[in-house]
Amino acid sequence: DQQVKQNSPSLSVQEGRISILNCDYTNSMFDYFLWYKKYPAEGPTFLISISSIKDKNEDGRFTVFLNKSAKHLSLHIVPSQPGDSAVYFCAARYQGGSEKLVFGKGTKLTVNP
Amino acid sequence: KAGVTQTPRYLIKTRGQQVTLSCSPISGHRSVSWYQQTPGQGLQFLFEYFSETQRNKGNFPGRFSGRQFSNSRSEMNVSTLELGDSALYLCASRRFLAVGETQYFGPGTRLLVL
Repeated sequence: DQQVKQNSPSLSVQEGRISILNCDYTNSMFDYFLWYKKYPAEGPTFLISISSIKDKNEDGRFTVFLNKSAKHLSLHIVPSQPGDSAVYFCAARYQGGSEKLVFGKGTKLTVNP
Repeated sequence: KAGVTQTPRYLIKTRGQQVTLSCSPISGHRSVSWYQQTPGQGLQFLFEYFSETQRNKGNFPGRFSGRQFSNSRSEMNVSTLELGDSALYLCASRRFLAVGETQYFGPGTRLLVL
């Protein structure tokens, strides 16, 4: 049973445009959500996070939106740059601060020059 | 500040053998978690250690085990290797067990079982 789903395995956008990566979850016990970026042959790199008490968090070109009623979150990258090309993982954490992160299977973003 | 380091980076083993992977967390980080990444299953949680105690365990068979030392370094062991254990094994660390504490990943150990 996949509790965190990234339904788009890949996404291709033009440089300068907006990239929107989506993530759905099923478990209402999740209280913290994170996005990681992963390049080949490297470990995931933390990008941005959001607590379940918020609906938006922004950091430079990256904004994460959380819709708790729909159990949906999205990552917006504006403007997209070729260096953003990577696999993006959505992850969720259970209440209580446990280290256990539940990951989606990732979306491969390609930003074309 | 040095990041999370994992050794070895690459490993080739044969079925039935055992393997030990090592992880050194960021200095000052007391929590270490291990994940397995495969193309089919994505990133899956193996176990979590804090102050030498296993705090949480994922749905993996008993062949997968781990431990944490007093200096927070951690090892994971896989016994009686199977072909399906071929994966990227990632270690992650953070300072405390608290919501909002960011988890930092190492580069991973790529294990190939023949």
